[in-house]
Amino acid sequence: KAGVTQTPRYLIKTRGQQVTLSCSPISGHRSVSWYQQTPGQGLQFLFEYFSETQRNKGNFPGRFSGRQFSNSRSEMNVSTLELGDSALYLCASSVTGRNYEQYFGPGTRLTVT
Amino acid sequence: DAKTTQPPSMDCAEGRAANLPCNHSTISGNEYVYWYRQIHSQGPQYIIHGLKNNETNEMASLIITEDRKSSTLILPHATLRDTAVYYCIVRVVSGGGADGLTFGKGTHLIIQP
Repeated sequence: KAGVTQTPRYLIKTRGQQVTLSCSPISGHRSVSWYQQTPGQGLQFLFEYFSETQRNKGNFPGRFSGRQFSNSRSEMNVSTLELGDSALYLCASSVTGRNYEQYFGPGTRLTVT
Repeated sequence: DAKTTQPPSMDCAEGRAANLPCNHSTISGNEYVYWYRQIHSQGPQYIIHGLKNNETNEMASLIITEDRKSSTLILPHATLRDTAVYYCIVRVVSGGGADGLTFGKGTHLIIQP
């Protein structure tokens, strides 16, 4: 079974721009969670989607948004990028999202200049 | 969620069993123990989880003490590819969906050739 895929793998953007990241979960997995990982803050939860609905949300500003499509694929968007948004953005999928057995993708490395 | 304590680093010889301890003395009855690892520059990888019984899968074994205040992750025949940071997490599994993993500092396991 193919793992979680994320595109693009690397991205360089300028402050003020917006960015959209994509995640394809493992086939049959209906829950997708997004995380931001930085050396200083570690792994931080952004949000979780299940059946096209945001079910849980972390403590991030409204510039961070996401959506999930009917095939469970998910996208996250960051508007008005700031230098502090430079991070590894990770997507994780699970069958139902009702436990913490999550399978992570390789991440998208975003650099904001 | 219960707090976990892990040694910051450990060494293990290649081919030997790696035993990684985790203390979670404040664990409550409905909290599960999860183990993840993260190899440098890759996304986290789910390893195993359990509630009270010992668990084994193709990657590792999880031994939880009878009082559930500590656990040990066992990699039976460590290889160089097992060098990674290992995270022990304690979480309640609820019906409302997973509200995100958080990692502590973990144990940096170094497999020596």
